[in-house]
Amino acid sequence: SQQGEEDPQALSIQEGENATMNCSYKTSINNLQWYRQNSGRGLVHLILIRSNEREKHSGRLRVTLDTSKKSSSLLITASRAADTASYFCATRRQGGSEKLVFGKGTKLTVNP
Amino acid sequence: DGGITQSPKYLFRKEGQNVTLSCEQNLNHDAMYWYRQDPGQGLRLIYYSQIVNDFQKGDIAEGYSVSREKKESFPLTVTSAQKNPTAFYLCASSADPSRGGVNQPQHFGDGTRLSIL
Repeated sequence: SQQGEEDPQALSIQEGENATMNCSYKTSINNLQWYRQNSGRGLVHLILIRSNEREKHSGRLRVTLDTSKKSSSLLITASRAADTASYFCATRRQGGSEKLVFGKGTKLTVNP
Repeated sequence: DGGITQSPKYLFRKEGQNVTLSCEQNLNHDAMYWYRQDPGQGLRLIYYSQIVNDFQKGDIAEGYSVSREKKESFPLTVTSAQKNPTAFYLCASSADPSRGGVNQPQHFGDGTRLSIL
């Protein structure tokens, strides 16, 4: 069953703007991961944040995790047209850690 | 270069036919996974394997079968029992989460798009 739910489902911005995507989940987790998918391609791992971490950075990406609210956000700063893709969060639950549970994704369009 | 190779990229199935999707990895990962993705949807787990000669059903295993005879290979067969097979199929691999790999990401192939003729 799907646990992560991304919000918004679609986001359209101009190049140079920041993009924020949110993910909510329902159960206790070991970690939360964000992936990117270009149209017609496989998923590429972006960043992993553990349950005892609150914020993590990687280049223009910033991920936050609030376990009390069971939510995470992905911020892409100074977006580029090449950032156009779908972004998925995935959670690895405590006690069921063999599997990742993916949300339905946010489709981001960055207009040049 | 290490990675995951899925083949073919496109596949067409006739009524009543079984088809097999190939997935090969050279990342030396113990765990491998098959997902189904429908348009505008997330990924749903079909089967996964954490070790050679062993595999477990995921959330939507009905109409599918797998084998894991080699560490590098995890083929998926879409059987005629799967009445709605049209989808994008993704294979992934990772370090085994149950043996120290819980904070490791999954690595994905570029998918196979299956359609019905």
